[in-house]
Amino acid sequence: DGGITQSPKYLFRKEGQNVTLSCEQNLNHDAMYWYRQDPGQGLRLIYYSQIVNDFQKGDIAEGYSVSREKKESFPLTVTSAQKNPTAFYLCASSIMGSDRTQYFGPGTRLTVL
Amino acid sequence: DAKTTQPPSMDCAEGRAANLPCNHSTISGNEYVYWYRQIHSQGPQYIIHGLKNNETNEMASLIITEDRKSSTLILPHATLRDTAVYYCIVRGMEYGNKLVFGAGTILRVKS
Repeated sequence: DGGITQSPKYLFRKEGQNVTLSCEQNLNHDAMYWYRQDPGQGLRLIYYSQIVNDFQKGDIAEGYSVSREKKESFPLTVTSAQKNPTAFYLCASSIMGSDRTQYFGPGTRLTVL
Repeated sequence: DAKTTQPPSMDCAEGRAANLPCNHSTISGNEYVYWYRQIHSQGPQYIIHGLKNNETNEMASLIITEDRKSSTLILPHATLRDTAVYYCIVRGMEYGNKLVFGAGTILRVKS
């Protein structure tokens, strides 16, 4: 089955700790995206990448970092510099052709204790 | 990205068609209309998208008015599992164009 996987589904961390969220896709998509969703809110773009070893900041990149060492993987690190990290994090991917429909993973809910 | 307006909530009887409206009066010529839905605590699920013509797939139909200022998502035979928040989004296809999710419409399918 082709798709996007995110792990873990729930994640807890202590304040001041860095944490890395996993995102893997086997759709052979070139582009990958990270969004954040707060309760009752829409999605906000954190980072996106169209090719290995290249990525761009979205609207709320401060306190986050990413890497794109492999086409199928786009991990997101939430650093201790992120002031309000508790949120639902969503990874998406798309092709780079004329149809750039984004497909989402199941999400990771991060709670900072 | 153009702004969209959707009703905050709608109810639909199970087995009946659910018609979800969306206004996007400021849409530009190269922007597509997308529909996603999100069931509580899950990632958004892509439903359908279109530019000018009406579109149909295994999930739904999308009817876009001739002036492209509004559209309607049709779920032909709603089931309880279709209860979700439905988002109408307008966006261009340029790389990096984020999806701007508004408040959406909460669709409640009732037995």
